[in-house]
Amino acid sequence: GQNIDQPTEMTATEGAIVQINCTYQTSGFNGLFWYQQHAGEAPTFLSYNVLDGLEEKGRFSSFLSRSKGYSYLLLKELQMKDSASYLCAVRDSNYQLIWGAGTKLIIKP
Amino acid sequence: TAGITQAPTSQILAAGRSMTLRCTQDMRHNAMYWYRQDLGLGLRLIHYSNTAGTTGKGEVPDGYSVSRANTDDFPLTLASAVPSQTSVYFCASSDIQGGNNEQFFGPGTRLTVL
Repeated sequence: GQNIDQPTEMTATEGAIVQINCTYQTSGFNGLFWYQQHAGEAPTFLSYNVLDGLEEKGRFSSFLSRSKGYSYLLLKELQMKDSASYLCAVRDSNYQLIWGAGTKLIIKP
Repeated sequence: TAGITQAPTSQILAAGRSMTLRCTQDMRHNAMYWYRQDLGLGLRLIHYSNTAGTTGKGEVPDGYSVSRANTDDFPLTLASAVPSQTSVYFCASSDIQGGNNEQFFGPGTRLTVL
């Protein structure tokens, strides 16, 4: 079967760095996405990885290792507005997205 | 531009009744999707459409139907609602012919079936 695993909840301090991990087992791989979802709102796109390595976009970076079925999202200089759920999704061989349940990130002052 | 709009924002529906959730996008994306999101679970694909005139079943299609008469609209119909269909429903769209094909989401419809 297809499976995306990520921690249910994480807590971090304002100004710090946090890494959210995602492991996956899917039928085929055509890219991995990270989305941010604030409570009561729609998911919004953060990053996309299709090749191994690190993609950096401002305070957010995303890493992919296809051989390990592993990705992480790194958030630097945390701000209170970063409190949200972070969703990992893999595009499978049918070009459909398989979604993890999301990681709720709580930022404390 | 509005992006993707969904209606209604929320709805309480009696079991056994039918309902259509509306979704419209103005980005001229060829692909559209319907997901449901339940607490503790990832987004689950209900139905999708890669282009106007075609539709496909996702992971959880039972009890739902869709149509794609044109590029912009992708309504989701519940023919006879059941309490297990209580959920938040998101419509999304993407341009599958370019870029990384990221999906853009509408604001969601919160549906309660009693």
